[in-house]
Amino acid sequence: QKEVEQNSGPLSVPEGAIASLNCTYSDRGSQSFFWYRQYSGKSPELIMSIYSNGDKEDGRFTAQLNKASQYVSLLIRDSQPSDSATYLCAVEGSGAGSYQLTFGKGTKLSVIP
Amino acid sequence: KAGVTQTPRYLIKTRGQQVTLSCSPISGHRSVSWYQQTPGQGLQFLFEYFSETQRNKGNFPGRFSGRQFSNSRSEMNVSTLELGDSALYLCASSLTVTTYGYTFGSGTRLTVV
Repeated sequence: QKEVEQNSGPLSVPEGAIASLNCTYSDRGSQSFFWYRQYSGKSPELIMSIYSNGDKEDGRFTAQLNKASQYVSLLIRDSQPSDSATYLCAVEGSGAGSYQLTFGKGTKLSVIP
Repeated sequence: KAGVTQTPRYLIKTRGQQVTLSCSPISGHRSVSWYQQTPGQGLQFLFEYFSETQRNKGNFPGRFSGRQFSNSRSEMNVSTLELGDSALYLCASSLTVTTYGYTFGSGTRLTVV
């Protein structure tokens, strides 16, 4: 059973600070990694994808990938109250786990004004 | 561009009944996946379809089934409903497999009483 682990939180950060969200995965063959944001009562929304080791930046968001350590992270700079949501890490499976994303249970982020 | 459309949005069924949920993917998307989301288990993969073929299936009992039509629309069916089937059922579509990430629909909230 392929697993994706995240700290459930809640993670509380003050407005304007950097929020750091972490994720580890068990499938060494995985090649595609995603971060989704889910507001309460809404469906998940894709915010970042990353496929190569290193950093990928998009606005205030930076995704980091280290395949050797099987670790993915998401940094949110200048956090805003509107960033308060649950963040889901998702990993594409390989082999028998192909054609599916395995999701972590999510980290709940609260940005305090 | 229309998003992923799921119908109905809400359903209340009694134990033992069966239910059919519908999903229309984004135009041009040929891959449709289904997930069950509960507070305790998070997002769990049900199955994925591409060009009317089921390519992968999650660890759910045979009461859960699905299909995809030639226009890429998909349905999932749950027979002999149990209380534990109460959940948010999410459909997601993608352009090609999972490489570009999913776009989720708004979901169907199923309550079994």
